[in-house]
Amino acid sequence: QVRLQESGPGLVKPSETLSLNCTVSGDSISGYYWSWIRQPPGKSLEWIGYIYYSGGTNYGPSLERRVTISLDTSKNQFSLSIQSVTAADTAVYFCARHLLPQNYYYGMDVWGQGTTVTVSS
Amino acid sequence: QSALTQPASVSGSPGQSITISCTGTSGDFGTFRYVSWYQQHPGKAPKLLIYDVTKRPSGVSNRFSGSKSGYTASLTISGLQAEDEADYYCSSYTITDTDVVFGGGTKLTVL
Repeated sequence: QVRLQESGPGLVKPSETLSLNCTVSGDSISGYYWSWIRQPPGKSLEWIGYIYYSGGTNYGPSLERRVTISLDTSKNQFSLSIQSVTAADTAVYFCARHLLPQNYYYGMDVWGQGTTVTVSS
Repeated sequence: QSALTQPASVSGSPGQSITISCTGTSGDFGTFRYVSWYQQHPGKAPKLLIYDVTKRPSGVSNRFSGSKSGYTASLTISGLQAEDEADYYCSSYTITDTDVVFGGGTKLTVL
């Protein structure tokens, strides 16, 4: 059974960099697309971007100038970095696996439990 | 980034059926072929209910079904149960079929 676990600081200061990791257990990171999604308090889901196990990435337009997603296959882990954060980046951050191997079209079937990140001085 | 439009709330009584709509515009959503639906209970991660418009992942109840007409997709829940009370989100891809987009979410209340 595949499981995802987000980890990282729960509090980040404005203008600093938010960094989160997602550790994959129960299966290899190979062959799939992996996404980061966030949800501000009381709001809808916002897709941040995805990475393919080979390293290719695609980012959503709202964050693409500040975001980097990377992966470490040796650790079976992928990561999120958002630069120059503001209070608007306060949200629950989820990592997720896309349903079918080699394909990002068919939704995300495995999600981490989510981690709350607050941007505040 | 354009969002998909969903009603803010729907409600129904136990045993009834309800339908949640999800509307995109042709200019923003290209083929609108790849529609997914998620269920999210408070404080929990979303759960994939429907993918590729009509397909259910293994383990999802057949009380959940999806359909599409033009640029409006729909999620129908039949035989409503108290445990179905949750937020529901649709998802698709932008005109280039590369960027994921979510709807604004619909809160389902089981009366």
